[in-house]
Amino acid sequence: AQSVTQLGSHVSVSEGALVLLRCNYSSSVPPYLFWYVQYPNQGLQLLLKYTSAATLVKGINGFEAEFKKSETSFHLTKPSAHMSDAAEYFCAVSPISGYSTLTFGKGTMLLVSP
Amino acid sequence: DGGITQSPKYLFRKEGQNVTLSCEQNLNHDAMYWYRQDPGQGLRLIYYSQIVNDFQKGDIAEGYSVSREKKESFPLTVTSAQKNPTAFYLCASQPPAGTEAFFGQGTRLTVV
Repeated sequence: AQSVTQLGSHVSVSEGALVLLRCNYSSSVPPYLFWYVQYPNQGLQLLLKYTSAATLVKGINGFEAEFKKSETSFHLTKPSAHMSDAAEYFCAVSPISGYSTLTFGKGTMLLVSP
Repeated sequence: DGGITQSPKYLFRKEGQNVTLSCEQNLNHDAMYWYRQDPGQGLRLIYYSQIVNDFQKGDIAEGYSVSREKKESFPLTVTSAQKNPTAFYLCASQPPAGTEAFFGQGTRLTVV
């Protein structure tokens, strides 16, 4: 069984501040890990993914995430928030075995103030 | 352009009526998925299909039905048995031996 916990349903930052969105996972086998972003009334867009290569993964729009096996974490960061980063972010996990359904966290809404 | 098309974007239905949501992909992906999204609950898996003419129930399949007659198409029917059908529905597909899923733009269903 696998599960994902995202700490904080809402995170507020000021424009230019560091963004940190937390994700912890539980998986009985080594997982793939993903971060997706969703803008209002839109589908999900992949930000970045970890597929057992480099533990520090760089994604689009200046985001990156670090896979820490000892902490079972995959936190998302961005050094400087922009107003356009305001959206909902989802962490997801799937086992490394052929077709595997993704299990999603409940999401974190990022609010960016000027 | 390759992608996943969901239609319609907004759908209104009266209580007790069945309604079918369309999902079409031209990415040549074998696997397709339907998720339901409610505020604060993330995405919950309704049904998935890894091959034509075969599909599996997800975590919340009750009150829903699907078909997979063509590789490109995976329609979802919300039946009158679904007690709380008002939600945002997302369709996704996944390539062979793939990792991430690719999502459509969603259909917002409102039952009045």
